[in-house]
Amino acid sequence: DAMVIQNPRYQVTQFGKPVTLSCSQTLNHNVMYWYQQKSSQAPKLLFHYYDKDFNNEADTPDNFQSRRPNTSFCFLDIRSPGLGDAAMYLCATSRVQGSYNEQFFGPGTRLTVL
Amino acid sequence: GQNIDQPTEMTATEGAIVQINCTYQTSGFNGLFWYQQHAGEAPTFLSYNVLDGLEEKGRFSSFLSRSKGYSYLLLKELQMKDSASYLCAVMDSNYQLIWGAGTKLIIKP
Repeated sequence: DAMVIQNPRYQVTQFGKPVTLSCSQTLNHNVMYWYQQKSSQAPKLLFHYYDKDFNNEADTPDNFQSRRPNTSFCFLDIRSPGLGDAAMYLCATSRVQGSYNEQFFGPGTRLTVL
Repeated sequence: GQNIDQPTEMTATEGAIVQINCTYQTSGFNGLFWYQQHAGEAPTFLSYNVLDGLEEKGRFSSFLSRSKGYSYLLLKELQMKDSASYLCAVMDSNYQLIWGAGTKLIIKP
């Protein structure tokens, strides 16, 4: 089945220790997104790639970086995680067709910072 | 600024009907999505409205009024598995999704 895969599902890191979260997709979608979601809050868009074009949200901290080496893969790097970065990180993909832009989500990676 | 409002929490009884409202103020409008999210899981797509009116899909229906900046999600014949958060999201003029914080729906037997 075509899908969005995130690894790992659960990640524990120490304060200040770099961590990388990965996302892959078999949907061949041209757009990939990274969201941060904290408990009982809306998903917060961090970045998105439209093909190879990188779009950074204005309020995304510099501590967060992203890479998309090819259509299928996208990575989220957190250079120096703080306690406030503990959250669920959601990867999503879409194939933009006019105004229709249904986003398909991976299962998420829950990040714990000790 | 852009804003999506929906109730924080609602409670309903198994077998009943519940309506979850969403009001929005966004820079432009290119459609409204409803997603379901079970605790600890990713959101899954439920519906999309871009024209005024009611879209029905099985036990779930979604309504849109663009002039009022208003939508609702109607869930019929509630089942225990419908206990989840329901997220309203609007696509703005830049084709970005603006998300509400979600409505936590609690179903009681």
